[in-house]
Amino acid sequence: DAKTTQPPSMDCAEGRAANLPCNHSTISGNEYVYWYRQIHSQGPQYIIHGLKNNETNEMASLIITEDRKSSTLILPHATLRDTAVYYCIVRVAYGNKLVFGAGTILRVKS
Amino acid sequence: DTGVSQDPRHKITKRGQNVTFRCDPISEHNRLYWYRQTLGQGPEFLTYFQNEAQLEKSRLLSDRFSAERPKGSFSTLEIQRTEQGDSAMYLCASSLDQGNNEQFFGPGTRLTVL
Repeated sequence: DAKTTQPPSMDCAEGRAANLPCNHSTISGNEYVYWYRQIHSQGPQYIIHGLKNNETNEMASLIITEDRKSSTLILPHATLRDTAVYYCIVRVAYGNKLVFGAGTILRVKS
Repeated sequence: DTGVSQDPRHKITKRGQNVTFRCDPISEHNRLYWYRQTLGQGPEFLTYFQNEAQLEKSRLLSDRFSAERPKGSFSTLEIQRTEQGDSAMYLCASSLDQGNNEQFFGPGTRLTVL
């Protein structure tokens, strides 16, 4: 699975959009971009995934660049409960293990 | 609640003792995964099962670690002769083996080895 690079931490004001970047310059054509988050003292939680098209669900939007070498997770209206570590993971579809990096600590502040 | 459950949530043991953790996956999920997470790090893959078959084991899974899923439902992770370096959060996840293969995680078992 390709490696990902994320900033170690970010701050966001409550009610504003949180944009979390991820670089995955060695991504292969059959690899998807997955995002998980981990709120303190809980297990990771799936957020969204995509291959090359932008994706949106009730939690977030995922924007993948045309060359697929980077992506951005967007939380449109961040709340205090969105404070968590966000992990960007690249892996093949139907793959087994998830390979987590250190992730980005997102702090949402009032 | 039909999510992934883990027992116990916390375990404190003395070095050299054996410990066993249990994971109950979401009932229709045929894949079950174990991960380990130390402070400040992302989870690290340990092993996974497809039904009762253990299909992959990480190099992190030393000879002191053994995992089973005897009937393809719940799983146990045993650590023999615990060491202080085994102190970590042990996470279990489950998934289907089709579709986007989203993994659902349990709350974890926090192990402290004194």
